[in-house]
Amino acid sequence: GEDVEQSLFLSVREGDSSVINCTYTDSSSTYLYWYKQEPGAGLQLLTYIFSNMDMKQDQRLTVLLNKKDKHLSLRIADTQTGDSAIYFCAESIGYDMRFGAGTRLTVKP
Amino acid sequence: NAGVTQTPKFQVLKTGQSMTLQCAQDMNHEYMSWYRQDPGMGLRLIHYSVGAGITDQGEVPNGYNVSRSTTEDFPLRLLSAAPSQTSVYFCASSYSFGGETQYFGPGTRLLVL
Repeated sequence: GEDVEQSLFLSVREGDSSVINCTYTDSSSTYLYWYKQEPGAGLQLLTYIFSNMDMKQDQRLTVLLNKKDKHLSLRIADTQTGDSAIYFCAESIGYDMRFGAGTRLTVKP
Repeated sequence: NAGVTQTPKFQVLKTGQSMTLQCAQDMNHEYMSWYRQDPGMGLRLIHYSVGAGITDQGEVPNGYNVSRSTTEDFPLRLLSAAPSQTSVYFCASSYSFGGETQYFGPGTRLLVL
């Protein structure tokens, strides 16, 4: 079964902010990741956060981690049509990685 | 650098056939792994390797074998293909594990009839 849960779809207008949410279940996760997958391609690492951090910002991307609620979010500021893709949340536990099912982000002009 | 390469890109098998999915990387990465991606389920780890000669099972290892005789190559073998193994398979590599960028190959789309 899924250890990492995400909503399946998100639609926003170009220029708006997108927030993609994820919940995980294993409190021993050391790193949490966000990956982007474009059609027909492999996964591309966007950003990651170490489990002892609350927030990480990288240009248009902001990751928030709430360890108490086991909740991770990815905010994309000024969303562009090129941001349309599937976004995967993942947690690492030892050498294992568990992925969510992915959130399909659609950006409308 | 070619990065992570996978062959073939697409394969059709009959139930019971065996085949090997190839994966190679030229970045001298120690950690390599295989995932399968099914609709609505995200990626699931099949097997991984932390270095030449060392492999271990992931979440869904049944029906698959791996070996790591060199740092560069990490083939995935299907011993007796089943329709449940119809999926897209991704190979990934990274220098180490945890907080490192994992580089993914382009994927192999496998259809088992």
